[in-house]
Amino acid sequence: SALTQPASVSGSPGQSITISCTGTSSDVGGYNHVSWYQQHPGKAPKFVIYDVNNRPSGVSDRFSASKSGNTASLTISGLQAEDEADYYCSSYTSSNALLFGGGTKVTVL
Amino acid sequence: QVQLVQSGAEVKKPGASVKVSCKASGYTFIDYYLHWVRQAPGQGLEWMGRINPNSGDINYAQSFRGRVTMTRDTSISTAYMELSRLTSDDTAVYYCAKKFCSKAVCHDTFDFWGQGTMVTVSS
Repeated sequence: SALTQPASVSGSPGQSITISCTGTSSDVGGYNHVSWYQQHPGKAPKFVIYDVNNRPSGVSDRFSASKSGNTASLTISGLQAEDEADYYCSSYTSSNALLFGGGTKVTVL
Repeated sequence: QVQLVQSGAEVKKPGASVKVSCKASGYTFIDYYLHWVRQAPGQGLEWMGRINPNSGDINYAQSFRGRVTMTRDTSISTAYMELSRLTSDDTAVYYCAKKFCSKAVCHDTFDFWGQGTMVTVSS
């Protein structure tokens, strides 16, 4: 089954928010292969974090991430209107597969 | 520039099969795994499997084994995903996505995605 994410998170412009992604020792906890994706409505996802806490070129440094045990987290600091989107985590698994989280809708108030 | 261009929308009846194509350009097709991910309307992302375009090696998600077939044609830099015995639950946007590699190291994430192919299963 999917990794567990909160259905929604909201924050005011300028604030920081954190999205959690909980799995098991067979996925999130067992490997440093957690990624985060941002998806705006009607668009394909875009990766913003790979390998737990690495930001690809071109992604704002307002995006940061970490992992503790079986839970990974994505933090967006200095929240902006353009950050309003759905966010998904994914992890490599012990079955040599990839598993996504259920997704979190981020609302900028 | 890297592009993944997918085939157009499909409408299928329950029990039928659908085959979606993904044509790659702007990079060496055989050097990067291609994955297939789907998204039902209003729902989350679901990984379906991956294909190594060089060797043809494939890994399918457990939930699709027996119903999905991934292939590729290296002569035209195109990957295919065929899903059989369709039901209404298979109504979704299907994406192909290229594995991300940086400095000769590849990571379990995707840096380029196709535009998506809407597959509607309806009687």
